[in-house]
Amino acid sequence: QKEVEQDPGPLSVPEGAIVSLNCTYSNSAFQYFMWYRQYSRKGPELLMYTYSSGNKEDGRFTAQVDKSSKYISLFIRDSQPSDSATYLCAMSEVGFGNEKLTFGTGTRLTIIP
Amino acid sequence: SAVISQKPSRDICQRGTSLTIQCQVDSQVTMMFWYRQQPGQSLTLIATANQGSEATYESGFVIDKFPISRPNLTFSTLTVSNMSPEDSSIYLCSVTTVNTGELFFGEGSRLTVL
Repeated sequence: QKEVEQDPGPLSVPEGAIVSLNCTYSNSAFQYFMWYRQYSRKGPELLMYTYSSGNKEDGRFTAQVDKSSKYISLFIRDSQPSDSATYLCAMSEVGFGNEKLTFGTGTRLTIIP
Repeated sequence: SAVISQKPSRDICQRGTSLTIQCQVDSQVTMMFWYRQQPGQSLTLIATANQGSEATYESGFVIDKFPISRPNLTFSTLTVSNMSPEDSSIYLCSVTTVNTGELFFGEGSRLTVL
């Protein structure tokens, strides 16, 4: 079993829809949770990060962490074609920017105009 | 933020040859890393590039296959040695900056081995 599981998709939704992206994990010591967005032929860029359980909102994006279920989600409201990208979850026991990040495989998302 | 320049952006190589990828950062960084991204697989850390000393390799990666240099704070190279088709992948340089601690990635070097 992988330490972090992420549905690879691809996921296609119409413009304006709410998108839900999810990851599950097995390591209960993970405390830092991140979502990266990767456009085609580009490197990943940090979209949001959270520490421990709870929700965090940034514009149209909401990150949610449920440590009791070992489940994290990223919600995108009013999705736009510019949101089309691969979304990777990442987790760590010790912080946001270090060599101890464990990544999911990424979900490829397409927003259809 | 940090702007990371990687060269080459892509290359096609013959089996048995070696290729060196360069990574240059425009700002002060604390740590530099090299990752591999294969289709359908998780982003995998190859090694941490240490300034002026040998890199720290993750399990499954060895210095003979992936020699890494970091002569100063803002520059590093990764060499993929004696390549085989299994080495076809995207190789990404990443850094953490002094002021934010956030992990930034370069655009990657797409390597195809025939």
